[in-house]
Amino acid sequence: GAGVSQSPRYKVAKRGQDVALRCDPISGHVSLFWYQQALGQGPEFLTYFQNEAQLDKSGLPSDRFFAERPEGSVSTLKIQRTQQEDSAVYLCASSLRDSNSPLHFGNGTRLTVT
Amino acid sequence: AQSVTQLDSQVPVFEEAPVELRCNYSSSVSVYLFWYVQYPNQGLQLLLKYLSGSTLVESINGFEAEFNKSQTSFHLRKPSVHISDTAEYFCAVSRYGGATNKLIFGTGTLLAVQP
Repeated sequence: GAGVSQSPRYKVAKRGQDVALRCDPISGHVSLFWYQQALGQGPEFLTYFQNEAQLDKSGLPSDRFFAERPEGSVSTLKIQRTQQEDSAVYLCASSLRDSNSPLHFGNGTRLTVT
Repeated sequence: AQSVTQLDSQVPVFEEAPVELRCNYSSSVSVYLFWYVQYPNQGLQLLLKYLSGSTLVESINGFEAEFNKSQTSFHLRKPSVHISDTAEYFCAVSRYGGATNKLIFGTGTLLAVQP
């Protein structure tokens, strides 16, 4: 288990359903980031944790998006009442610490809202 | 606010030819600069970064990028590409003094190396 693991790999939700996306960072990594990548676009920052503290959630698109990392390890990104515009790949990344540490990305969860 | 522009969505090139992937950024404050690469069916990986010091930075697989402050550019170059370099390349910036890994990405450039 050397890398960042995300599950599920694919998720199809009907509009209005709630979804939960899981991220297992590299063991010992303090910083954890969530990014959203729409089709044909680069990743966009959603939120950032240092240990269990959510230091920045300025990128969350609406109050339907919620992220947590209660024990400073696994993180969950929850989207309530999904909309079609939420369809994207959700990327999780971790780093040993924030300053001067490279980000290690997971393979992402592809969310399709129908 | 910062923004990143990668004008070329796709760059086809023959094997062993040189390549340049262009990246320009806009920012009212100093920035850190990055190139990330995404190989087929893999996650994003850091290729190289400029934080401070020498404006020319190199990766272990022969890529290099030069920070040009006056032109606000951070173009990626390789003198001779291989088939295995086929991937999507993303340029990114983050604000100096902020969270280093709070990145603003460009839209990506697909490097397609042909035999």
